Amino acid sequence: GAVVSQHPSWVICKSGTSVKIECRSLDFQATTMFWYRQFPKQSLMLMATSNEGSKATYEQGVEKDKFLINHASLTLSTLTVTSAHPEDSSFYICSGRTEAFFGQGTRLTVV
Amino acid sequence: QKEVEQDPGPLSVPEGAIVSLNCTYSNSAFQYFMWYRQYSRKGPELLMYTYSSGNKEDGRFTAQVDKSSKYISLFIRDSQPSDSATYLCAMSEQANSGYALNFGKGTSLLVTP
Repeated sequence: GAVVSQHPSWVICKSGTSVKIECRSLDFQATTMFWYRQFPKQSLMLMATSNEGSKATYEQGVEKDKFLINHASLTLSTLTVTSAHPEDSSFYICSGRTEAFFGQGTRLTVV
Repeated sequence: QKEVEQDPGPLSVPEGAIVSLNCTYSNSAFQYFMWYRQYSRKGPELLMYTYSSGNKEDGRFTAQVDKSSKYISLFIRDSQPSDSATYLCAMSEQANSGYALNFGKGTSLLVTP
C-alpha cells in the first residue's frame, strides 16, 4: 500500500521561531497532499491542500502567511509554521493521494 | 450543526464484547465512508472503506452505511485489549485525490482484559 512518511515525529521549539515539517510519499507520486491539525480530544481539521507546482489552497481561518506550504516535487510537501506561538502547539498530520494513507504525524510543542 | 457527529466516549467494554461505534452526518452528498483507528500520538490507520449504502466485512470488523438515515456504524466482534484506541469516522463526496475528508471527533475505546 501507499506509504506516507512524515518527519519529524515531534519537535519542541521556542516561541517566535519557525518549524518545518516534511511529508514524503515513498511509493507513489502525489500531485495533491493534505495537511491536517488535531488538537487534544478533537477531530482532524483540514488546514490546507497542497498542490504540486502551484499554490496551496487554505481552509477558512487558516493563515497562509503563518503556515507556509511548499509542494515542489511529486514526492515531497512541506509545512512551515512561522513565528510559532504556544497556541500553535498541536498534532500536525499529512495525507496523500486518496487520503487513505496518513503520515505518522508531528507533535509540535511551542514553549 | 457540524457535518459529521460522533460521540467521543470514552467507551469501555470487557474483552470479547461486541463494540458498536456510530456516526451521523448531514451532507447527503457524502458517498465514501471510512473508519480509521488512531493510537495515541500516531497518525490514523485506515480500517474500513465503503462506498454508498450497505455492509462490508473484514475479519472482526463490519462497517454499515445507511444513507437514508445518514448513519454509519462500525462493529468490532470479539474485541481485544489491542483494539483500545480512538476510532474516527470520515467521509467524502468524492474518492479522488482532489477531495479532503470530513472527520468525526473520534470515539475513545478501552477494551479491558
